[in-house]
Amino acid sequence: DTGVSQDPRHKITKRGQNVTFRCDPISEHNRLYWYRQTLGQGPEFLTYFQNEAQLEKSRLLSDRFSAERPKGSFSTLEIQRTEQGDSAMYLCASSLEGPLTEAFFGQGTRLTVV
Amino acid sequence: AQSVSQHNHHVILSEAASLELGCNYSYGGTVNLFWYVQYPGQHLQLLLKYFSGDPLVKGIKGFEAEFIKSKFSFNLRKPSVQWSDTAEYFCAVSYTGTASKLTFGTGTRLQVTL
Repeated sequence: DTGVSQDPRHKITKRGQNVTFRCDPISEHNRLYWYRQTLGQGPEFLTYFQNEAQLEKSRLLSDRFSAERPKGSFSTLEIQRTEQGDSAMYLCASSLEGPLTEAFFGQGTRLTVV
Repeated sequence: AQSVSQHNHHVILSEAASLELGCNYSYGGTVNLFWYVQYPGQHLQLLLKYFSGDPLVKGIKGFEAEFIKSKFSFNLRKPSVQWSDTAEYFCAVSYTGTASKLTFGTGTRLQVTL
């Protein structure tokens, strides 16, 4: 399967712990996006990269959140000092550059903070 | 703020019934429009997309959608649903100049009964 892959699929953590998620985009895609989806809501944009540059961050992305894409390939999303409100599905998507492109989504990482 | 509204949160239909799911977006200039589907336990998949041209677009699995610019709408239709169409459906929009960042609606859960 050459789609977007995310790891882990599920993560349960205690409040206050740090967690890190990984996303491997489709190999030729230079844009990578992170979204968050809570129950009963659609995905909400968090941040995106073009190659290794992080070009936009949503106000949803508090100081406890950091994302990297060091070599323009895979990306990591870290949440420090997790809170119960961080419990959600974290989705990664990738696309080609350009105005007429579509995003392909991974299966997501479900985070539960207890 | 840019927003997408899906007015039907939960729809229950019998097999062979016709489907129409509403989607309205807020004005923000030139838009690209998408419908994504999420089958139980699977990742978001693109059903269809509109970038320009013919406002009636056809997607996979017999789905179609019509872009009505004057109504800021992009409703999804299918003449005859199947049990396998049971899923959650998300309307999404990206605005020109926003690097394909998607704004999603809250989703419509479709349940098709035999």
